[in-house]
Amino acid sequence: DTEVTQTPKHLVMGMTNKKSLKCEQHMGHRAMYWYKQKAKKPPELMFVYSYEKLSINESVPSRFSPECPNSSLLNLHLHALQPEDSALYLCASSQAGPPYGYTFGSGTRLTVV
Amino acid sequence: SQQGEEDPQALSIQEGENATMNCSYKTSINNLQWYRQNSGRGLVHLILIRSNEREKHSGRLRVTLDTSKKSSSLLITASRAADTASYFCATADIQGAQKLVFGQGTRLTINP
Repeated sequence: DTEVTQTPKHLVMGMTNKKSLKCEQHMGHRAMYWYKQKAKKPPELMFVYSYEKLSINESVPSRFSPECPNSSLLNLHLHALQPEDSALYLCASSQAGPPYGYTFGSGTRLTVV
Repeated sequence: SQQGEEDPQALSIQEGENATMNCSYKTSINNLQWYRQNSGRGLVHLILIRSNEREKHSGRLRVTLDTSKKSSSLLITASRAADTASYFCATADIQGAQKLVFGQGTRLTINP
């Protein structure tokens, strides 16, 4: 298995809702990442997990809460989001430590209404 | 924070021609990578070049790295319609190499 699987592919949520994005990989990668991408912009790093521990938080608002339950799963819990949080959320994984390329999932397109 | 600046922002060429994209960055790097993204979906890793390498090839792709000028280029030879996509360079900083930072990207259109 050489894929990163993200669910759901599309999500529409209200500003008072709580939802979660899920990411799964079975490549034995021990580093996992969340990126946010707005239209016509590059991906921006949000969080890095290394060996199931949060190693980088790029000053992301607390309404985004990451979780890494095991080495194959990465979740992003969403609560009280704003319309400007609408974006494509990308999960990626890689072997831990540089230099390794990332394998990206196809993303979750999130719309906050 | 964005590390790389890519040039040009958009490129349109005829099928069969070569396409060259450039990337400049600001800090010392561990490695530089190139990715392709089709229609705003997931990114696909194309090639990685380490800071001590100057050139790397993969199929129709050729990447160069000039650490003295803090720049890289991606050459796609004999372009095909399927190469139409956005191309991003991404750098892993030598201090925080676990953090991959993407450039602004080049939108490449191959005309049949």
